[in-house]
Amino acid sequence: DTGVSQDPRHKITKRGQNVTFRCDPISEHNRLYWYRQTLGQGPEFLTYFQNEAQLEKSRLLSDRFSAERPKGSFSTLEIQRTEQGDSAMYLCASSLLPGPQETQYFGPGTRLLVL
Amino acid sequence: AQSVTQPDIHITVSEGASLELRCNYSYGATPYLFWYVQSPGQGLQLLLKYFSGDTLVQGIKGFEAEFKRSQSSFNLRKPSVHWSDAAEYFCAVAPLYGNKLVFGAGTILRVKS
Repeated sequence: DTGVSQDPRHKITKRGQNVTFRCDPISEHNRLYWYRQTLGQGPEFLTYFQNEAQLEKSRLLSDRFSAERPKGSFSTLEIQRTEQGDSAMYLCASSLLPGPQETQYFGPGTRLLVL
Repeated sequence: AQSVTQPDIHITVSEGASLELRCNYSYGATPYLFWYVQSPGQGLQLLLKYFSGDTLVQGIKGFEAEFKRSQSSFNLRKPSVHWSDAAEYFCAVAPLYGNKLVFGAGTILRVKS
């Protein structure tokens, strides 16, 4: 069990550029979540997958954001036409369901800075 | 809608002193409750969780938390703080089974020697 990994750890981009982040969940975890954390705030839910199906999207997830989880393994989060307001830490978490109690395990995050 | 309130943005304690971090939630039923810790630039590490049963739960690193239904609270405690405990602490809630976490704004803990 190597834990949840995210790549890259840091990304600096210019406004208007597209960026893509990757998350590799804990092996065999069937649920995968994306959260966004801005400075001084707790993480906010963006979206989640059960296997390859995207089951819920937050209103925070504008149409510039898209997430995929092909084959139910790793996931990607793409932001198109980035804006300065997209600057944040993007966190991925995974969990295993069904299970006696769902616990989400978080990765180290990808910190995005949009100039 | 569910919400979590952590009334203290910053707390400073002396090394070796006891610690209590407050968390209040708003939810129609008893949710699942969690405490996570985040060191600078890092992701979140689970400290402990409450689903049911004994209202006093033990976690890692010597932390414990007590669920009080009447007060809608889930306060985190540690009897003796170490300098390495300096970090940001988040309380979170989730509905009864398998869904997104709702986090509080966090409490930054500073430990002075």
